[in-house]
Amino acid sequence: AQKITQTQPGMFVQEKEAVTLDCTYDTSDPSYGLFWYKQPSSGEMIFLIYQGSYDQQNATEGRYSLNFQKARKSANLVISASQLGDSAMYFCAMRETLAAGGGADGLTFGKGTHLIIQP
Amino acid sequence: DVKVTQSSRYLVKRTGEKVFLECVQDMDHENMFWYRQDPGLGLRLIYFSYDVKMKEKGDIPEGYSVSREKKERFSLILESASTNQTSMYLCASRNRGPLTGELFFGEGSRLTVL
Repeated sequence: AQKITQTQPGMFVQEKEAVTLDCTYDTSDPSYGLFWYKQPSSGEMIFLIYQGSYDQQNATEGRYSLNFQKARKSANLVISASQLGDSAMYFCAMRETLAAGGGADGLTFGKGTHLIIQP
Repeated sequence: DVKVTQSSRYLVKRTGEKVFLECVQDMDHENMFWYRQDPGLGLRLIYFSYDVKMKEKGDIPEGYSVSREKKERFSLILESASTNQTSMYLCASRNRGPLTGELFFGEGSRLTVL
């Protein structure tokens, strides 16, 4: 069974500081993918970044980067130069095979981290 | 622009009522999902479908059923709503195949059962 652990229920960060949101995972599959989503107070889930288990380099997307440490099974999200608009829930997720024969891949989510950026 | 549309953003129902939550996607995705989101519990998978008329139970299917008669539409049904089903419900879809493909989510339906 796969599992995602986010140990920080909430975080307060000063504007313009860098933020690291922790995520550890547990899987026995050699091939897996890790995702981060942002959920503002409006409720929509916004895809931020993806890291594949075989990717040699850490993923980056603008101010977002993923600190992928495969041996430690961690995939922390780093937000550089935080902004007030970064205040939201953040979810780490891992791809899982839900149906045999490649019928369906879904995502298993962590419990999330509520990030609040203070001016 | 890709889009997943959930029919209702907010619903208030009474215990015992039958509730339908509708989800439509315009991306021709094979896979569709219903998640439930509760504070401190993250997102939990209720049901998913990988083809028309195909449905599979997720982690918490009790008290729910689903219907997928057309590829673009995936409905979640609460046969007899109970107060412990008060929650945010999120529909999502993705293409079959690409391992890098993310889930696309609707805006969510917040259900209150009184």
